Amino acid sequence: NAGVTQTPKFQVLKTGQSMTLQCAQDMNHNSMYWYRQDPGMGLRLIYYSASEGTTDKGEVPNGYNVSRLNKREFSLRLESAAPSQTSVYFCASSAKGVWSLRGETQYFGPGTRLLVL
Amino acid sequence: QKEVEQDPGPLSVPEGAIVSLNCTYSNSAFQYFMWYRQYSRKGPELLMYTYSSGNKEDGRFTAQVDKSSKYISLFIRDSQPSDSATYLCARPRQGRGSTLGRLYFGRGTQLTVWP
Repeated sequence: NAGVTQTPKFQVLKTGQSMTLQCAQDMNHNSMYWYRQDPGMGLRLIYYSASEGTTDKGEVPNGYNVSRLNKREFSLRLESAAPSQTSVYFCASSAKGVWSLRGETQYFGPGTRLLVL
Repeated sequence: QKEVEQDPGPLSVPEGAIVSLNCTYSNSAFQYFMWYRQYSRKGPELLMYTYSSGNKEDGRFTAQVDKSSKYISLFIRDSQPSDSATYLCARPRQGRGSTLGRLYFGRGTQLTVWP
């Protein structure tokens, strides 16, 4: 049981290049999330998928696209990378994706460090 | 309406010290909060849930919410070097609808416990 896995672990891009960050979970979770983490800014939600077949924008979606390929996989694409997208990207998942007052535990992957030159 | 604020620190304490990590919130309707721990170069992991009344204890960790002052605190007793990490408070999104399961995170407080 690997939990949430992310590839690649580290990537260097030049401005204008494109790439896709891959995420997969083996916990049969319904919901998946993409965050970016920058110094002093905390975790900011880019996109999320409440269930297979649905995606929605989070706080900072500009410059990104996502695909929920199936229940297990949720990818994040940068079509034309910019230096402002230099960050650590985390994928997360949660079990049900249903609203509850208590909230759901999110399980995070190890992150992808992206440097855009 | 993120409204969970956290002092980023950093905080540096000697081994054995009692550590107090704090967040503030501005909407008294928030009832549940969480603490996540993030080791260097790792993803965050859930440490504790806490509710807006009273304390919750788990080993050396105690989570507390002071509803009157809108303060969320995490206390670590007998701190260890292995507690060195960034601690993030979080709250679930309020209300129903399609935006399900979302969390709002504070900026995180970096803690170092030195031997």
